[in-house]
Amino acid sequence: QQQVKQSPQSLIVQKGGISIINCAYENTAFDYFPWYQQFPGKGPALLIAIRPDVSEKKEGRFTISFNKSAKQFSLHIMDSQPGDSATYFCAASMDPLNAGGTSYGKLTFGQGTILTVHP
Amino acid sequence: GAGVSQSPSNKVTEKGKDVELRCDPISGHTALYWYRQSLGQGLEFLIYFQGNSAPDKSGLPSDRFSAERTGGSVSTLTIQRTQQEDSAVYLCASSREGTSGVGELFFGEGSRLTVL
Repeated sequence: QQQVKQSPQSLIVQKGGISIINCAYENTAFDYFPWYQQFPGKGPALLIAIRPDVSEKKEGRFTISFNKSAKQFSLHIMDSQPGDSATYFCAASMDPLNAGGTSYGKLTFGQGTILTVHP
Repeated sequence: GAGVSQSPSNKVTEKGKDVELRCDPISGHTALYWYRQSLGQGLEFLIYFQGNSAPDKSGLPSDRFSAERTGGSVSTLTIQRTQQEDSAVYLCASSREGTSGVGELFFGEGSRLTVL
């Protein structure tokens, strides 16, 4: 019930294309859903995050779509660039005040998607 | 520097030896986390510190693993009697977040541990 399932494991797109990564969760107590981007040899860095009170959040070329009833959320990267080539992780955590979680920083991560954008 | 600093960046040890991994968080960040990243298990939560206290140690895989934080700053993750399955990248992250509110996690570059 604590799992976050992420797909696909790897994704290859052409420059200018749309990259889509999907995640699904079971625990309805999750209420914070960030996406992290990781380059080789570096730690993950927060890309964008969403709370379940909205169905979509956009920041530049990056958009999170959230479907609360389906317990699914996805990351869309528009106009994908070679510099976007990295590993992307979805994650989820619980409200420490209302759901018995200890911290929003206690994240359950998906398995990651290796994105390659060809020039 | 301004980011989370971890040392050593790489550590090779023999099975059965003890290792210590250090994390220096961003100044002023009260929350500190340790995660483990391995090929088979992805990114796993290990422990959470708020100040010098660890309200959540639920991710530590065995009693060979321990961590402490002193002065509300530097943290050390200790692995005793290392096993080959401990081989992984150990990531430290810090955040301004307290027990409420959502704060961005800032990760260090990790300590890569190889147990021979």
